[in-house]
Amino acid sequence: GENVEQHPSTLSVQEGDSAVIKCTYSDSASNYFPWYKQELGKRPQLIIDIRSNVGEKKDQRIAVTLNKTAKHFSLHITETQPEDSAVYFCAARIFGNEKLTFGTGTRLTIIP
Amino acid sequence: DAGITQSPRHKVTETGTPVTLRCHQTENHRYMYWYRQDPGHGLRLIHYSYGVKDTDKGEVSDGYSVSRSKTEDFLLTLESATSSQTSVYFCAISSEVLNQPQHFGDGTRLSIL
Repeated sequence: GENVEQHPSTLSVQEGDSAVIKCTYSDSASNYFPWYKQELGKRPQLIIDIRSNVGEKKDQRIAVTLNKTAKHFSLHITETQPEDSAVYFCAARIFGNEKLTFGTGTRLTIIP
Repeated sequence: DAGITQSPRHKVTETGTPVTLRCHQTENHRYMYWYRQDPGHGLRLIHYSYGVKDTDKGEVSDGYSVSRSKTEDFLLTLESATSSQTSVYFCAISSEVLNQPQHFGDGTRLSIL
């Protein structure tokens, strides 16, 4: 089955700076990679996703990049704000399989 | 927000008692999932369903059973709860359209004493 590793487990960034979270996956048949944000005591919410036919996707201050050769994908948050503080999870899905495999999460803290 | 309701939202029970958690959706989505979330482990799949009466195991299915008698309802049962099953449980749904995301319910915090 798929295995997803996520780094770092914790990340502190000065407000206004950029944050990068990286994930690697094991199965080259994976073709869908969502990112979720979870605020304290809340449910995980999808913030951006990417499919394997593209290398990069942006949505305002958030971007995701995918390197299929190296089997890793990254979340980039620019101009960080206090409300970006949360736990972020990456995930991967193998083509034809409806199950997601999640990384273990990154706790991002934005320092005012 | 996706129409997903989990009940109860909080529950405290004793070891050895049966517990049933309910997930109800109003989106008519084909796929439904149960996850548990524990510190350091992220979200781990317990069971999932790909249609009425069609279910399959996830990576941490021991000690859990599920049922789906209607499209909108997916039940998770702990037949005899143990303290190791203390966790936050999330239900998620997704449509049958290729490569669509999963959307999560608000979770159930379950404590087994």
